[in-house]
Amino acid sequence: DGGITQSPKYLFRKEGQNVTLSCEQNLNHDAMYWYRQDPGQGLRLIYYSQIVNDFQKGDIAEGYSVSREKKESFPLTVTSAQKNPTAFYLCASSPRTGSNEQYFGPGTRLTVT
Amino acid sequence: GDSVTQMEGPVTLSEEAFLTINCTYTATGYPSLFWYVQYPGEGLQLLLKATKADDKGSNKGFEATYRKETTSFHLEKGSVQVSDSAVYFCALSDTQAGTALIFGKGTTLSVSS
Repeated sequence: DGGITQSPKYLFRKEGQNVTLSCEQNLNHDAMYWYRQDPGQGLRLIYYSQIVNDFQKGDIAEGYSVSREKKESFPLTVTSAQKNPTAFYLCASSPRTGSNEQYFGPGTRLTVT
Repeated sequence: GDSVTQMEGPVTLSEEAFLTINCTYTATGYPSLFWYVQYPGEGLQLLLKATKADDKGSNKGFEATYRKETTSFHLEKGSVQVSDSAVYFCALSDTQAGTALIFGKGTTLSVSS
């Protein structure tokens, strides 16, 4: 089955630690995205990548980093510089042609204490 | 900048009631419009889309018509079910494929039997 996988589903970390969230897709999509979801705030864009080895900051990139070494993979690192990292993180992908319909993974809920 | 405004929830309905969730947008170009649905603890699923004015998207009994004159894309369903309880997001894509979507804040729908 084609789709997007995110792991783990739940992640717990102590304050001050960096943590990396995994996102893999087998849809052969060029573009991939990371969004953050907080209650009542909808989805906010962290980073996106349109092609391997290239990525752009979104609206709330501070305290986060990404890499895009392979087409299938777009990991997100939440660094200790992110002031409020507890949230639900969603990865998505889309082809670079067409209507920009995006496909989402199941999400990772990160809790930092 | 571009934006999406959705009616605030929660929306509480009885089974078989008629549903409308309002969505209006601001965009400089000719965006594609989407409705996504999110069930508790899951990622977003594309519900329907429309790519040009007067297009009607439909899926699973849900419909929405792209109205350029009123910059709206309201979601409707004639008879809701308990299983429709979820959060609904309106979104737009104003530029070429491979760039991020702009989401509304989401509307929570709760349907009781």
